[in-house]
Formats: sequence, C-alpha cells, structure tokens
Amino acid sequence: GAVVSQHPSRVICKSGTSVKIECRSLDFQATTMFWYRQFPKKSLMLMATSNEGSKATYEQGVEKDKFLINHASLTLSTLTVTSAHPEDSSFYICSAIRLQSSYNEQFFGPGTRLTVL
Amino acid sequence: GENVEQHPSTLSVQEGDSAVIKCTYSDSASNYFPWYKQELGKGPQLIIDIRSNVGEKKDQRIAVTLNKTAKHFSLHITETQPEDSAVYFCAASLGYGNKLVFGAGTILRVKS
Repeated sequence: GAVVSQHPSRVICKSGTSVKIECRSLDFQATTMFWYRQFPKKSLMLMATSNEGSKATYEQGVEKDKFLINHASLTLSTLTVTSAHPEDSSFYICSAIRLQSSYNEQFFGPGTRLTVL
Repeated sequence: GENVEQHPSTLSVQEGDSAVIKCTYSDSASNYFPWYKQELGKGPQLIIDIRSNVGEKKDQRIAVTLNKTAKHFSLHITETQPEDSAVYFCAASLGYGNKLVFGAGTILRVKS
C-alpha cells in the first residue's frame, strides 16, 4: 500500500512562534500533495494544493503568508504555521497522489495535532 | 463548485447487521468517488472507491454503488463488526490532481 507519514504527530507551541509540519510519501513519488485542517467532530477542510516545484494553490480564505507550503521534492511537502495563535490549534492532515496513478487516489498521513498556548 | 451531502450523520447498528451510508453530489462532471474511514486521532484511510464508468464495486464486506443519473453513491457494509466503528467520509472529485470535496461524515457505532 501507499504510506504517507507526518512529523511531528503532536506539537505544543507558544503564541507567536512558528511550527513546521512535514509530510512524506514513503514508498511512492507524489507530484501533488494536499493539506487539510480538521476541527473536532468536523469534516476535512482543504487548505491548499501543493505541487512539486511550483507555488501552492490556496483555498479561499486561507492566508498564504500564514500557512507557508513548500513542496521541495517528489516525496516531501512542508506546512509552516507562522506567528501561531491559539485559534490555529487544530488537527492538520496531508494527503498525496501517486505520480504514476491515472486516478485521484489520495493517501492520507496520520495527522499532526497542533496546540498553541 | 462541487457540493457533497452525506446522510445519516450518526448510525448505530447491531453487530452482524448491515450499514448503509448515502451521499449525493452536485457536479455531474465529478468522476471519482472514494470512501474513507477515520478512527479517533488518526488520518483517514481509503477503504473503497468507485469511478464514474462503473456502477458497483465490492471488496469483501464493503461495497459501493453509484447512480450517475441521480448523482448519488452509497457505501454498504455487511456483517458489521465492532471494529467497523469509526467516522466514515464520502468524497467526490473531478479526477487526477483535483481536490476532493468531502461530505460531513457519518459516525458509525456497531454495538456488540
């Protein structure tokens, strides 16, 4: 199967600091990765689409200067939450599409729980 | 844009019974419909998917049906087990590289 990892799984930070979350496809290459945010007992909310070697595409209402996305290789995308505020506390999940796939199968990471104090 | 509605929001069944979750979508151009299972504190896991050129797909106790005319698709779980308890999400997509639009989720509880 296709495995996607995220690091860290949990992070607690102080307001005003920046936090970086890594998303890796472990056994396949991915030109496209997605970043989602999920609130308790809610569905997944797409934040941005990350394409290797190009700028990310952000969904309406998502601040690109606050949520910096870098997709530096075919197996790694990073999300940096800058100047974190308590309202940024959430469950962040990434997904990846296999490079060779002709369909839109997205494989999700285990998620990162961010708590901003 | 695409909109996906999912029902019911919660579903309780007795172990061994069947469970059915239904979703409708709005964009007739959508051609890929996955179902995900999410356990508490974990990321979603793809359990089955169907493409628009197929009406039904089955994988052991799980099956998905698609009605393109009515723009709805359903997840069927037979012989439910306690470990099937989780949140299930349906989604729709326009195809490769396009974003998934998720339903609101269904909390499935299988009582033993």
